[in-house]
Amino acid sequence: AQKITQTQPGMFVQEKEAVTLDCTYDTSDPSYGLFWYKQPSSGEMIFLIYQGSYDQQNATEGRYSLNFQKARKSANLVISASQLGDSAMYFCAMPRTGFQKLVFGTGTRLLVSP
Amino acid sequence: SQTIHQWPATLVQPVGSPLSLECTVEGTSNPNLYWYRQAAGRGLQLLFYSVGIGQISSEVPQNLSASRPQDRQFILSSKKLLLSDSGFYLCAWTPYGGTSSPLHFGNGTRLTVT
Repeated sequence: AQKITQTQPGMFVQEKEAVTLDCTYDTSDPSYGLFWYKQPSSGEMIFLIYQGSYDQQNATEGRYSLNFQKARKSANLVISASQLGDSAMYFCAMPRTGFQKLVFGTGTRLLVSP
Repeated sequence: SQTIHQWPATLVQPVGSPLSLECTVEGTSNPNLYWYRQAAGRGLQLLFYSVGIGQISSEVPQNLSASRPQDRQFILSSKKLLLSDSGFYLCAWTPYGGTSSPLHFGNGTRLTVT
């Protein structure tokens, strides 16, 4: 069964600095994907970025990038040039075998300070 | 473009009362639909998913049920609420098929059972 682990319950970063949010996973599937979501205090889940296991390059979406290390089974989210609006919970997730039923990690709360 | 609507945004219900949360998706057809629950300060737990009208799969035994009376409508119900049903409920959709499409979430319903 798929398992997602986010070991950082909370992270602090100053505005304009970069921050890395950790995510490790466990799966026996030969092909899989990793998703990152942002959840502001208002509650909605916002899709940020996706990485497929066979993608040759690390995914990038604006200020978000994935540091995907397949051998280490890690898919860390890097946020560059942090903004105050980046303060939120961040969840890593991957689908269960054969279907789009996402398994979520426990999340990391990011606080960006001025 | 596709949009997902979920209501109500907040709900306070006494123990033993019924529940009905509704979710609709616009701008797409035959979506996969999901109900997730998030306990305070925790990750998301999949409750139900549906691949078509009348087709409901339950992930965990519980006091809740789901129905899909129309292609783009997903309803979460309970005949008698328990205190443990309190939480943040999120509806989500994906295009049919594949595992690389992200889930798109509604804004959620915050349910408090008193």
